[in-house]
Amino acid sequence: GAVVSQHPSRVICKSGTSVKIECRSLDFQATTMFWYRQFPKQSLMLMATSNEGSKATYEQGVEKDKFLINHASLTLSTLTVTSAHPEDSSFYICSASGNKQPQHFGDGTRLSIL
Amino acid sequence: ILNVEQSPQSLHVQEGDSTNFTCSFPSSNFYALHWYRWETAKSPEALFVMTLNGDEKKKGRISATLNTKEGYSYLYIKGSQPEDSATYLCAFNAGGTSYGKLTFGQGTILTVHP
Repeated sequence: GAVVSQHPSRVICKSGTSVKIECRSLDFQATTMFWYRQFPKQSLMLMATSNEGSKATYEQGVEKDKFLINHASLTLSTLTVTSAHPEDSSFYICSASGNKQPQHFGDGTRLSIL
Repeated sequence: ILNVEQSPQSLHVQEGDSTNFTCSFPSSNFYALHWYRWETAKSPEALFVMTLNGDEKKKGRISATLNTKEGYSYLYIKGSQPEDSATYLCAFNAGGTSYGKLTFGQGTILTVHP
């Protein structure tokens, strides 16, 4: 089956640090990648949709200057949490979708900001 | 805001029991309904993508039905095994400008006891 690699799996860092999370589709070309966030005991919430070579589309309430998304190639999208604060601590997970493919998920990143 | 509800939130069954859980979703602007299985420390695994009212899909001991007119889907597991323990997520895929975006339910946590 299709494989999506997400890195790192866990990050612990100080408040004010910027954190970059990578999402790679290993065996297919991902025309669209999605970034989700999950707070404890809540459902996966879509943050943004990114299409290769164009600007990401952010969901209502998600700050685009806070969560920078780059999708420079058909196999790589990155999410950068800029100047992270404790309230940004959460579980972040990406998914990738190619032509007529369902969404395939990475393993997620647990972000803890001290 | 789309409302996707799953019930029950959690379920404990004995090995060999059959079980089922529910996903309810908006009955308007329907495009597809997805079921995922999410084991701890792994990525969500796609089980089914269902698009037509009355669809029934089967994968081994797991099957699902879809009723788009009333907005619900059932997931059934026959003869549950400990390895079936996971969180089962459903996700609603609306059509039109929301095409491709998934709205997830909170999931049903299934624990199968040996």
